Amino acid sequence: GQNIDQPTEMTATEGAIVQINCTYQTSGFNGLFWYQQHAGEAPTFLSYNVLDGLEEKGRFSSFLSRSKGYSYLLLKELQMKDSASYLCAVRTPLVFGKGTRLSVIA
Amino acid sequence: NAGVMQNPRHLVRRRGQEARLRCSPMKGHSHVYWYRQLPEEGLKFMVYLQKENIIDESGMPKERFSAEFPKEGPSILRIQQVVRGDSAAYFCASSLSGTEPNYGYTFGSGTRLTVV
Repeated sequence: GQNIDQPTEMTATEGAIVQINCTYQTSGFNGLFWYQQHAGEAPTFLSYNVLDGLEEKGRFSSFLSRSKGYSYLLLKELQMKDSASYLCAVRTPLVFGKGTRLSVIA
Repeated sequence: NAGVMQNPRHLVRRRGQEARLRCSPMKGHSHVYWYRQLPEEGLKFMVYLQKENIIDESGMPKERFSAEFPKEGPSILRIQQVVRGDSAAYFCASSLSGTEPNYGYTFGSGTRLTVV
């Protein structure tokens, strides 16, 4: 089976940096995904990590430590439009955590 | 270049009726996944299909729920004799391959089912 944990909610200020953590336990690991989901909309793909280390993509970066079963998503220069839920997922077919609802305030 | 198409966007059914949700994957994608999302909850995996085959249905309720992906036409998620607890958003996703996860899944806009 698998178990994925993320904080339920986070609040951060516009222009700041926020780190959203995800811990997982899974039988059979073949990568970790991060998705963004705005309220009432479809999830959209943000990043994929299969090797340890940091993957940077513009304002978003994702980190993976397979030995610790740990990942984080780093969002820099926060904008109001980044207010959304961020979902961590592992395995194939993808199994999602409950998501972290991020609120960006002025 | 249409993405994953789901219809209807909104569906209202009375208790005991049947609900049929349709999903057309992205062009070239042959792997389809169905997820359910309850309010304030994460996405729960239901079923994974390829053309004419169910690959993994470990997340499907044992009764009243079924899914198919025929050789021609969209994938269908069918819920028979709906109950209030079936009210949720149902998302379909597709992928190019089921064995190379780095492609990621592309999600449709979902069908919001309300059972009254």
